[in-house]
Amino acid sequence: EVQLVQSGAEVKKPGESLKISCKDSAYTFASYWIAWVRQMPGKGLEWMGNIYPGDSDTRYSPSFQGLVTISADKSISTAYLQWSSLKASDTAMYYCAQGFQRYFDFWGQGTLVTVSS
Amino acid sequence: DIQMTQSPSSLSASVGDRVTITCRASQSIANYLNWYQQKSGKAPKLLIYSTSNLQSGVPSRFSGSGSGTDFTLTISSLQPEDFATYYCQQTHRTPRTFGPGTKVDLK
Repeated sequence: EVQLVQSGAEVKKPGESLKISCKDSAYTFASYWIAWVRQMPGKGLEWMGNIYPGDSDTRYSPSFQGLVTISADKSISTAYLQWSSLKASDTAMYYCAQGFQRYFDFWGQGTLVTVSS
Repeated sequence: DIQMTQSPSSLSASVGDRVTITCRASQSIANYLNWYQQKSGKAPKLLIYSTSNLQSGVPSRFSGSGSGTDFTLTISSLQPEDFATYYCQQTHRTPRTFGPGTKVDLK
C-alpha cells in the first residue's frame, strides 16, 4: 500500500530557507501526481500546487507562485516543497498528497512549520 | 480562480441523523468535485471523487451528487466516527480550490 512519509516538524526564523520532503514508500512514485496543501492554524485547506514526477510537470496556485518551489526526485521517490525566505505567515501544517490529476487518495501525515523570531 | 462555497459552515447532529452538506462553485466544474473528511489533528481523507464515486473503503452511508455548480454530500445515518470537518474541492481548473469546510459535531 502507498505510504507517504513527510519530514519532521521545523522551527525557523523569518528570512531563513527551508525544504520539506514527502517520500513515497511504493514503487509507483513517477506515475502519480503529488500535491502540496497548506493548512494554517485553525483554518481550511489551501491547494498550493502539484507536480508529476515522471516529467516534472509542475502547476502552482497563483497565491503561491513565486513564493514556494515544488520539485521531485523520482530516483528516490521524494517530492519537496521549499522556501527561500520564510515569513511568520508561513506558519502552518503542510500536507503532501498523491493521486491523479483530478483527485488525491493518499496523504502524508503532515509537516508542521513554525516561523517565529 | 473558481471559488467554492459550502453550507452550512457547521451543523450539530445526532447519531443516526441524515446529514446533507452543500457545495457550490462560482462557475461550472462539470463533475470534477471531490469530498474530503478531516478529523482533528489528522490528514484529510478522500471520501468521494468526481461527484459520486465512493473511494475504496469508504462506508456506503456516504454519497455524493450534483453537476455543474451545485453538489451535495449526504451521510445517510451519522455514526460516531463521522464527526469531523468536510471539505469539497474542485479539480476542473487550476488552482484546485477547496471549499471553506463544514464542521459536523455532536448535538
